[in-house]
Amino acid sequence: EAQVTQNPRYLITVTGKKLTVTCSQNMNHEYMSWYRQDPGLGLRQIYYSMNVEVTDKGDVPEGYKVSRKEKRNFPLILESPSPNQTSLYFCASSTRGLEKLFFGSGTQLSVL
Amino acid sequence: SQQGEEDPQALSIQEGENATMNCSYKTSINNLQWYRQNSGRGLVHLILIRSNEREKHSGRLRVTLDTSKKSSSLLITASRAADTASYFCANYNFNKFYFGSGTKLNVKP
Repeated sequence: EAQVTQNPRYLITVTGKKLTVTCSQNMNHEYMSWYRQDPGLGLRQIYYSMNVEVTDKGDVPEGYKVSRKEKRNFPLILESPSPNQTSLYFCASSTRGLEKLFFGSGTQLSVL
Repeated sequence: SQQGEEDPQALSIQEGENATMNCSYKTSINNLQWYRQNSGRGLVHLILIRSNEREKHSGRLRVTLDTSKKSSSLLITASRAADTASYFCANYNFNKFYFGSGTKLNVKP
């Protein structure tokens, strides 16, 4: 089954404790991206990647890192999480044509 | 920010009625996409309309696009309780995606 898999689904952590949210897709998509969703603000793009070893900033990249060492994986790293990064996070992938994003199920992150 | 806006923010209708939601965007576009989100879950792609198209249909969905006004609308005809969800428009510019703020649709049985 074609899918984007994100883990974990829920994560509670404390300020400053490094964490990684994993994202994997099995559709051989070139494009992968991360979003955060906050009430009233819709989805905002954090980072995206057009292919292996090619990443670029989205609208709200501050406080986040990503890497794309393999085509299928695109982890999101928070080196020193802060409470303002409490949010619902989504990973999504697409072919290079960008005509349809496939989303993961989301990660609800709480930073205390 | 180049995020778009949608209105209304929330819409409550009876089953069988039509639901219309509107989206305005800020950048030039290749295409505009609509997505649906059930209750905090991942978004699901509904329909895409290209910049050279004015109207597109898919089942009970009808999308229009007015590039001169930088706006689009999504019409769901003969709505069902199962259509209850949030709906977002999205577009991209130089590989960056921008989503609207969403319309929360409640269809009452």
